[in-house]
Amino acid sequence: QVTLKESGPTLVKPTQTLTLTCTFSGFSLNTRGVGVGWIRQPPGKALEWLALIYWDDDRRYTPSLKSRLTINRDASKNQVVLTMTNMDPGDTARYYCVRRLVGVEHYFDYWGQGPLVIVSS
Amino acid sequence: EIVMTQSQLSLPVTPGEPASISCRSSQSLLHIDGKNYLDWYLQKPGQSPQLLIYLGSRRASGVPDRFSGSGSGTYFTLKISRVEADDVGVYYCMQSLETPLTFGGGTKVEIK
Repeated sequence: QVTLKESGPTLVKPTQTLTLTCTFSGFSLNTRGVGVGWIRQPPGKALEWLALIYWDDDRRYTPSLKSRLTINRDASKNQVVLTMTNMDPGDTARYYCVRRLVGVEHYFDYWGQGPLVIVSS
Repeated sequence: EIVMTQSQLSLPVTPGEPASISCRSSQSLLHIDGKNYLDWYLQKPGQSPQLLIYLGSRRASGVPDRFSGSGSGTYFTLKISRVEADDVGVYYCMQSLETPLTFGGGTKVEIK
């Protein structure tokens, strides 16, 4: 059974760095065609893709936030970590950890719960 | 970046009746491999999004066959043959032809 669970602070202050951890089970990030990424959703707004890391260590970022984002993985712990620097109230959103499959199929098939991260002083 | 447009912000539907949601992309999503890199996701109230359709027309595992996807290039449609009350929520299209992966603004389906 595939599961992904996000963990991290629910409240951060402006200018601080957000660190979110996705702990997953039921699959391996060492398997060809597998990736884990992050998608966020401000309250009442649409989804926004942020970053992905693949089985081969290929990393992709959304250009508008690339300077602030870092995605890393710890395959031995089945974890993917996203850091976002210089947080702003406009970054208040639910942050979803997602599994992506590429190759024969291309989709986000499993999503975490998406905890709400509030940026406020 | 590829801009995804869902022109219908809201779609009131009647249970048992068909419904159709449209999505346009600012450039063709048809790859040289012949596949359209377009997905549909449904976010039910209070839940995480779930995959419905991928590669334009392929139904994801466990998705009822009343959902179907069609289209090619820059225009795509998600159809529900007979709407059920459980189908309410926000439907998003997403392109994965190239990064950044981009979503449409969403179409909220609600029961009349």
